[in-house]
Amino acid sequence: GENVGLHLPTLSVQEGDNSIINCAYSNSASDYFIWYKQESGKGPQFIIDIRSNMDKRQGQRVTVLLNKTVKHLSLQIAATQPGDSAVYFCAENRGGSTLGRLYFGRGTQLTVWP
Amino acid sequence: DAGVTQSPTHLIKTRGQQVTLRCSPKSGHDTVSWYQQALGQGPQFIFQYYEEEERQRGNFPDRFSGHQFPNYSSELNVNALLLGDSALYLCASSFADEQFFGPGTRLTVL
Repeated sequence: GENVGLHLPTLSVQEGDNSIINCAYSNSASDYFIWYKQESGKGPQFIIDIRSNMDKRQGQRVTVLLNKTVKHLSLQIAATQPGDSAVYFCAENRGGSTLGRLYFGRGTQLTVWP
Repeated sequence: DAGVTQSPTHLIKTRGQQVTLRCSPKSGHDTVSWYQQALGQGPQFIFQYYEEEERQRGNFPDRFSGHQFPNYSSELNVNALLLGDSALYLCASSFADEQFFGPGTRLTVL
C-alpha cells in the first residue's frame, strides 16, 4: 500500500509486506531531511536521514528516497513488522550546516496487521 | 547514559497560570531545542538554545521563554497559560548532526 502523503494520514499493511510512506516538503533550500518514528506516549525516534546531495540512502530494513525536483521524500520499510506500527514524520532542516529548526510534516499513522 | 530526560512527565494547570518544564540533554550534547506537539499534529519548533543563548525561534508568542544553564540543561517557561497551550512539549538535544528527542512533558490546561 502506498500512502500519498499529507492527504492520507493513515496506512494499513499486512505483516511481511513492504510499506511506503510519502512526504512533500516545501522549501527548496532545505538541505537535510530526517524520518522519525513516534510511538504512542513517546518522543520521536530517529530512523534515517539523507542530505540533499543524495537521492537514496539505505539502512536496516529502511530506505529513504529524495526527489529534489518535485520536493518529495519517501520512506520504504521492508518486511513490515507489528513493531513498526507508529506515526512516521518527515522533517526538513533549514539550519544550514547546523542542525537547527526542523519543520515536521503532519505524519502518517502506520498500522501493521497480522 | 540516560539519553534526553524531561520533567515532569505530566502536568495539569489552569488558565492564566505559569509553568516551567525541564530538560536534561544527552551527555555530550550542547544544544537544546524545544517543540510543541498538539494532538494529531507534528512537532512545531519553539526555540533553540546554544551556549546559554536563544539561537533560533519559531512563531511562538513572548509568553514562551526559555533558559539554558552552564551544564547545558534547559527550561521552558510558559506564562499566562491558555487552553490552546495543552500539548506534548518535546525537548531535543543535539551535537553536530546528532539529535535525540526526550519523551516529552504532557501539559494539560483546564
